[in-house]
Amino acid sequence: AQTVTQSQPEMSVQEAETVTLSCTYDTSENNYYLFWYKQPPSRQMILVIRQEAYKQQNATENRFSVNFQKAAKSFSLKISDSQLGDTAMYFCAVVSNSGYALNFGKGTSLLVTP
Amino acid sequence: GAGVSQSPSNKVTEKGKDVELRCDPISGHTALYWYRQSLGQGLEFLIYFQGNSAPDKSGLPSDRFSAERTGGSVSTLTIQRTQQEDSAVYLCASSLTSGRVGDTQYFGPGTRLTVL
Repeated sequence: AQTVTQSQPEMSVQEAETVTLSCTYDTSENNYYLFWYKQPPSRQMILVIRQEAYKQQNATENRFSVNFQKAAKSFSLKISDSQLGDTAMYFCAVVSNSGYALNFGKGTSLLVTP
Repeated sequence: GAGVSQSPSNKVTEKGKDVELRCDPISGHTALYWYRQSLGQGLEFLIYFQGNSAPDKSGLPSDRFSAERTGGSVSTLTIQRTQQEDSAVYLCASSLTSGRVGDTQYFGPGTRLTVL
């Protein structure tokens, strides 16, 4: 079984600032994949970033980057130059290559203020 | 191209009634997933379809829940004799191939089910 923990239920950041969302996970698998999804009030889950566990290089996607620490089983998301449109729930998720269902954390509600 | 679509967007029903929720995956995606999102339980996996293989129903919470996927495309999630605890957002996702290779799952906008 895999568990995902997001220890920050709510966070707030000012526009243009940088914020980091935490995620830790527990898995006995050696090969797995990690994701951050964003869910704005529209409910649509949108992929933010994807990381393959066997790749040591941290994934980046424009203003979004991750700090992947495999030994510590940590997968934090950094949002640079925060924008009002970044306001949303952010979910961390993991899937192993012996399964297919995403295991999600409880989410972090991010509010970007002017 | 078009993303995953779900209908209806919102559904209000009375306790004891049956409901059907529909999901239309991205064209060409062979894998389809249903998840449930509720305040108390977060996001839970319900069922997985891969091509013409038998679905994995291990996440279905009770035998009141069933799902089918016709022609490898559209899927319907049916909840019989709805209960108030079934109130949640039901999310559908699809991926190009199996999640076992870490294929990205693309989500639909969900159906919000309210059982009165």
